Amino acid sequence: DTGVSQNPRHKITKRGQNVTFRCDPISEHNRLYWYRQTLGQGPEFLTYFQNEAQLEKSRLLSDRFSAERPKGSFSTLEIQRTEQGDSAMYLCASSRRDTEAFFGQGTRLTVV
Amino acid sequence: DQQVKQNSPSLSVQEGRISILNCDYTNSMFDYFLWYKKYPAEGPTFLISISSIKDKNEDGRFTVFLNKSAKHLSLHIVPSQPGDSAVYFCAASRGTGNTPLVFGKGTRLSVIA
Repeated sequence: DTGVSQNPRHKITKRGQNVTFRCDPISEHNRLYWYRQTLGQGPEFLTYFQNEAQLEKSRLLSDRFSAERPKGSFSTLEIQRTEQGDSAMYLCASSRRDTEAFFGQGTRLTVV
Repeated sequence: DQQVKQNSPSLSVQEGRISILNCDYTNSMFDYFLWYKKYPAEGPTFLISISSIKDKNEDGRFTVFLNKSAKHLSLHIVPSQPGDSAVYFCAASRGTGNTPLVFGKGTRLSVIA
């Protein structure tokens, strides 16, 4: 399968714990995006990378959130001191410079 | 402030008929528009796109129309099939479609056999 891969698919965590999600993009795609989707809403942009450089961050990305893309390949999104409001589907997408974005299946986070 | 609006949360259509999903945008800097389809427990899947230099793009049963002066686009599905039942998201971006996408809230399409 050469699509965008996200792990884990589901994560349940207690409030205050840290969580980390991983995204493996399509191999020849140099752009990687993170979005968050809550119930009844469309995906909302969080941040994106071109190769290893983080080019843009949304104001939705509080200082508890950090994303990395070492070596321009896979990416991780970490949420520190999780809050119940962080419960959402976290979506990763990748693209080449001239193509549409392809999404992974997402990681569903539940903070209890 | 919603820059991309899908005002119909749901739409129900008979199999074989036309489905028309609508989308409005407010940011005149947007010049590339996309439709994604989403099934439950899956990520969005790209369906069709249109650049602002065009007013129509067609791909099989799917056609997207763009009215720049009205800041409005629509997705037509003809004929509708039960497998088309999903949530459809309209998205917009500045540039070639690779700047971050701004999504609408989605329209749930149900195609009834």
